[in-house]
Amino acid sequence: AQTVTQSQPEMSVQEAETVTLSCTYDTSESDYYLFWYKQPPSRQMILVIRQEAYKQQNATENRFSVNFQKAAKSFSLKISDSQLGDAAMYFCAYKPPQGGSEKLVFGKGTKLTVNP
Amino acid sequence: NAGVTQTPKFQVLKTGQSMTLQCAQDMNHEYMSWYRQDPGMGLRLIHYSVGAGITDQGEVPNGYNVSRSTTEDFPLRLLSAAPSQTSVYFCASRKTGVTGELFFGEGSRLTVL
Repeated sequence: AQTVTQSQPEMSVQEAETVTLSCTYDTSESDYYLFWYKQPPSRQMILVIRQEAYKQQNATENRFSVNFQKAAKSFSLKISDSQLGDAAMYFCAYKPPQGGSEKLVFGKGTKLTVNP
Repeated sequence: NAGVTQTPKFQVLKTGQSMTLQCAQDMNHEYMSWYRQDPGMGLRLIHYSVGAGITDQGEVPNGYNVSRSTTEDFPLRLLSAAPSQTSVYFCASRKTGVTGELFFGEGSRLTVL
């Protein structure tokens, strides 16, 4: 079964600085999808960024970017110019390829604190 | 633009009581799922459905039942609540066959005394 590991239960960053959250996963598939979700104190789950494994180019969304290392099965999230509103739980998630299971598997999350 | 609607948002139960968490989506999504979120455990899949009349178990299905009689609704039933079911529950949906995002409800906090 696929697993997703987030090795950092908590991280902190100073406002305006850069932070990287780690995620590794285990799969025997060659094509799959990876996601980062944000959960602020409001509890609402928000999609931050998505990466298709067949794409070599790392996904970016404004201040959010990923470092996707397929061979290493690593999918880290970089937040640049951190803002107070970035404080949240961040979850990494894996989805098998199309035609396979529709289930998303989540990591245990990283709690990010942003210090003013 | 309702999206995914969960009710109730908060509920307190006594051990042995039964209840149903309701989930409805208005996006015509085939895939619907229930997760529970516990501190330090992330989100764990309870049950999921890929269409009306089709349900399957996730990672932690024991103590929970589901049914999918319509595309829109996917209720989660606790037949005999236990303190171990104290958690925050999320319903989520998406289109199948594409790599689109999973849309989440706002969550339901359940406490079993």
